Amino acid sequence: DAGVTQSPTHLIKTRGQHVTLRCSPISGHKSVSWYQQVLGQGPQFIFQYYEKEERGRGNFPDRFSARQFPNYSSELNVNALLLGDSALYLCASSHLGPGSYEQYFGPGTRLTVT
Amino acid sequence: AQKVTQAQTEISVVEKEDVTLDCVYETRDTTYYLFWYKQPPSGELVFLIRRNSFDEQNEISGRYSWNFQKSTSSFNFTITASQVVDSAVYFCALSEARGNTPLVFGKGTRLSVIA
Repeated sequence: DAGVTQSPTHLIKTRGQHVTLRCSPISGHKSVSWYQQVLGQGPQFIFQYYEKEERGRGNFPDRFSARQFPNYSSELNVNALLLGDSALYLCASSHLGPGSYEQYFGPGTRLTVT
Repeated sequence: AQKVTQAQTEISVVEKEDVTLDCVYETRDTTYYLFWYKQPPSGELVFLIRRNSFDEQNEISGRYSWNFQKSTSSFNFTITASQVVDSAVYFCALSEARGNTPLVFGKGTRLSVIA
């Protein structure tokens, strides 16, 4: 079975631009979460979606938004990019509802803002 | 509030040595889950283990073993007879079982195994 997939793999954007990152969960998984991993740090939670509804939001500004589609894939959008948004963005899917079950991560999208 | 501390930033060992990665956590909940993930240079986080707060039995999987001690809020990870392929960043993470709680990660420990 295919794992979590993310696109694009790498992305270079300029300050002030907008970016959309995409994620497809493992087949049958209905929960998708997004994490930001800055170099040298552990992943930080951004959003969690379950059954197409937002179930959790981390401490990120309103420039960050996301949605989940009927096929459970998800998009993460970031507006007005800042240099500090440069990071590896990880998507994770899990089989059951939010909370306690193992989350399987995709390979990530490495975003560089110049 | 939840918190995970991995005090060891970097560890370097010679191949075949045993190595233990430390993890200390904080949570107010009595029900929670602990995880270990491996992040090789490719960047993808690889799930290694999930342990719930009611199960303090140690677990062994091949060369990997985990020691969970609620009394000291620790969930340490030992690799026996380390190999070069074990070189990666290892993350410990916590998830509270109540409501919609995402993973809270430590800062990770970079393990380098030298041939």
